[in-house]
Order: sequence, then structure tokens, then C-alpha cells
Amino acid sequence: EADIYQTPRYLVIGTGKKITLECSQTMGHDKMYWYQQDPGMELHLIHYSYGVNSTEKGDLSSESTVSRIRTEHFPLTLESARPSHTSQYLCASSEWGGDSPVKTQYFGPGTRLLVL
Amino acid sequence: KQEVTQIPAALSVPEGENLVLNCSFTDSAIYNLQWFRQDPGKGLTSLLLIQSSQREQTSGRLNASLDKSSGRSTLYIAASQPGDSATYLCAVSGSGAGSYQLTFGKGTKLSVIP
Repeated sequence: EADIYQTPRYLVIGTGKKITLECSQTMGHDKMYWYQQDPGMELHLIHYSYGVNSTEKGDLSSESTVSRIRTEHFPLTLESARPSHTSQYLCASSEWGGDSPVKTQYFGPGTRLLVL
Repeated sequence: KQEVTQIPAALSVPEGENLVLNCSFTDSAIYNLQWFRQDPGKGLTSLLLIQSSQREQTSGRLNASLDKSSGRSTLYIAASQPGDSATYLCAVSGSGAGSYQLTFGKGTKLSVIP
């Protein structure tokens, strides 16, 4: 069983509020990821990190920001939430992999965000 | 740009049947392909990972095949059970600089009727 946690699981918030979605893993994985998923649609990578102090943007443009100050923690922040940010946000982590750069990714349960 | 398509979008079968889920991708330059399961309100669970040099992987009642040259993969589920009901996602990773990224399909929603 993968140990990756996300809080909150559900969040309803008004437009303009600042929010932080938390993600923590206890597996010591170097790589962490944030995906966004709309109902019935594909997951899209919005941010990833190779390790502490490393953050990169994914394929899907996002107004959110991330930080990686500790190996186990990869929070995502929206400075000013808008209705267009309503979606499900999934956090994942994986080992570095060495010669096999893509190892199995372990996913958290997700945060469902509704911005009114 | 890599695109992943999964057919069918939804499938309903009676318990005990064997079934096949299909996945196709447009760029054959992949590093590996993964099948995930997603339950409502939960995250994704990795089922099988096939490296580009492999042709299939098996885990219990699940068997995944990969034909990299034709850009296709199938997930075979034997003797389906109601507990198999979930959405099954296919994802491919690119080669080279893009190997860290997974490109997902929209999934196949499976319902196994008791």
C-alpha cells in the first residue's frame, strides 16, 4: 500500500481566496507530481519535481505554483482561486529510477476543488 | 504530441466473463506503458507496467500486452468479478527528455454485473 496523502479531500471556496493543497509521501521518493483531472477527461501533468528545491511545469498550463522544501512534502498553491480552477487535483510520487527514469507512480486520493 | 485513446469508453459485462480493454497511442517512441485503475473518489492504483522492450506483463487475472510498432496495448481481465468495477486508465511515457511525463487516456469505465 502506497503511503501518499492529500488534504483536504474536498474543498469548496469562494472566488479570490488563496488556497494550498497539501501532498505528503512517506516513501522517500525523489520525484513528485501534480495532475489535474476534469470529470471524464484525461489526467494532465501540471507540475513535477525531481527533488528538494526542484520544480518544473508540466504540459498543461496552470496558474498554480508549487514548492519542494522537504523531500516528503509537495504543496500546490493557488493565489486567487477562480471558478475555472474547479477540478480534481491528484498528487503522485515515484522513485528516481536511474537508467529507467519512469518508475511506477503512486497516487494520492486526490482533492476535489469547487470554486464558487 | 502524444495522444492516447481508449476504447470503449464504457463497458458492462456479467460476472465471470473475460474481457479486453484497448489502448492506442500515436507516437511509438515510448519508454513504457502503464495500466492504472481508478475507483470513484480515490486516486489511481498501478496495475501493470510494460517496458518498451517487453511484449506483455501478467499479474493474477490481468494480462497486458504491448505492440509498440503499431501503437497498441490491450488489458485482458479473466473471469471478471464485481470488485473489478472501476475506471481503467492507460498511460504512456515518452522517451528521452520526455520520459518523466505520463500521457493518459480518458479511461474505460467497467461495470461487472453480479
